[in-house]
Amino acid sequence: KAGVTQTPRYLIKTRGQQVTLSCSPISGHRSVSWYQQTPGQGLQFLFEYFSETQRNKGNFPGRFSGRQFSNSRSEMNVSTLELGDSALYLCASSLEGVATDTQYFGPGTRLTVL
Amino acid sequence: GDSVTQMEGPVTLSEEAFLTINCTYTATGYPSLFWYVQYPGEGLQLLLKATKADDKGSNKGFEATYRKETTSFHLEKGSVQVSDSAVYFCALSPNSNSGYALNFGKGTSLLVTP
Repeated sequence: KAGVTQTPRYLIKTRGQQVTLSCSPISGHRSVSWYQQTPGQGLQFLFEYFSETQRNKGNFPGRFSGRQFSNSRSEMNVSTLELGDSALYLCASSLEGVATDTQYFGPGTRLTVL
Repeated sequence: GDSVTQMEGPVTLSEEAFLTINCTYTATGYPSLFWYVQYPGEGLQLLLKATKADDKGSNKGFEATYRKETTSFHLEKGSVQVSDSAVYFCALSPNSNSGYALNFGKGTSLLVTP
């Protein structure tokens, strides 16, 4: 069974641009979560989607948004990029998104904002 | 709000030493608790979890017990190996059926020397 895949793996953008990251969950998984990992702030929860609906949202500005498609694939978008958005963005999937499920993480997309 | 505090690293141990990584949490209600591990060059993996008080999670020789009275979930291993060198993250998720929203600690880097 294929794991969680994220594309692209690496991305370089400049301030003010926008970016879209993609995540394909494990087949059959309907819950997809996004996290930001930085050396200073550590791992922070962005949002979680289930059946195309955002169920949970972390404490990030409105520049960060996401969506989920009917095949459970998810995208996150960051508009008006800032230097501080440089981070590893991790996607994770699970069957139903409940704690009794196991959540599997992808390898991440490394975003560098210049 | 919910939060997780874990001991700062790095922690350096000799092979076969006993490992404890402390983790305490603050949360409303009854969260589920997790330990994740990030090996060098690899993605985050679930190590173990506990979904209710007094539960013990265990995997690969690691154990942690959900202690509600002390709001703790300390990670232990009786005899570490060089291959256990990694970064360990304690995390919690609200105990509900409304989706994962992991709140991570800062991570503890473990180096095991031969």
